[in-house]
Amino acid sequence: NAGVTQTPKFQVLKTGQSMTLQCAQDMNHEYMSWYRQDPGMGLRLIHYSVGAGITDQGEVPNGYNVSRSTTEDFPLRLLSAAPSQTSVYFCASSSPRYPEAFFGQGTRLTVV
Amino acid sequence: GENVEQHPSTLSVQEGDSAVIKCTYSDSASNYFPWYKQELGKRPQLIIDIRSNVGEKKDQRIAVTLNKTAKHFSLHITETQPEDSAVYFCAASKKGGSEKLVFGKGTKLTVNP
Repeated sequence: NAGVTQTPKFQVLKTGQSMTLQCAQDMNHEYMSWYRQDPGMGLRLIHYSVGAGITDQGEVPNGYNVSRSTTEDFPLRLLSAAPSQTSVYFCASSSPRYPEAFFGQGTRLTVV
Repeated sequence: GENVEQHPSTLSVQEGDSAVIKCTYSDSASNYFPWYKQELGKRPQLIIDIRSNVGEKKDQRIAVTLNKTAKHFSLHITETQPEDSAVYFCAASKKGGSEKLVFGKGTKLTVNP
């Protein structure tokens, strides 16, 4: 099993550009979440999903969109990148039966 | 919404000493409390977790205690080793699982040889 796979690992965007961060898991987990990690701020929840076709907002959803068309994939879309979105983004998956969250390796995004 | 406070933000100990990290949460409905370890440049990984119906849980050198009345929980690491050096995050969830975790801001633990 690959676990949770995020692509790309690094990305530089110009202000106003859009892009999609990819997240895929092969553990058949129902739950998937996106977090951003900023220095001194811990991890903050952006959006999460409890199953295909079901998504909800987290603590910091503005400027981000998600969709969940399959159990395996949970892409995060930045609609119009801003310097404030410079961060490390982590995707995580988990199951209601075993609550441990498994994280991807992260995507380091810089918006200039 | 839920708020999780974590202290201290940095902690330095000598190898072999114990380390304690404390967290408080605001929502009394929270019922699941995991601790994650993140080494530099790596992803967070679960090291121990506790549910609200349990007061204490141990796994070798690591233990977590929970006081529901005071709404705080703590991570205890005994006989610290240099490889314990990392950032530790506490988190809370009121859904019993990890789909919507609220994290503390982290504690950077340094274990000096």
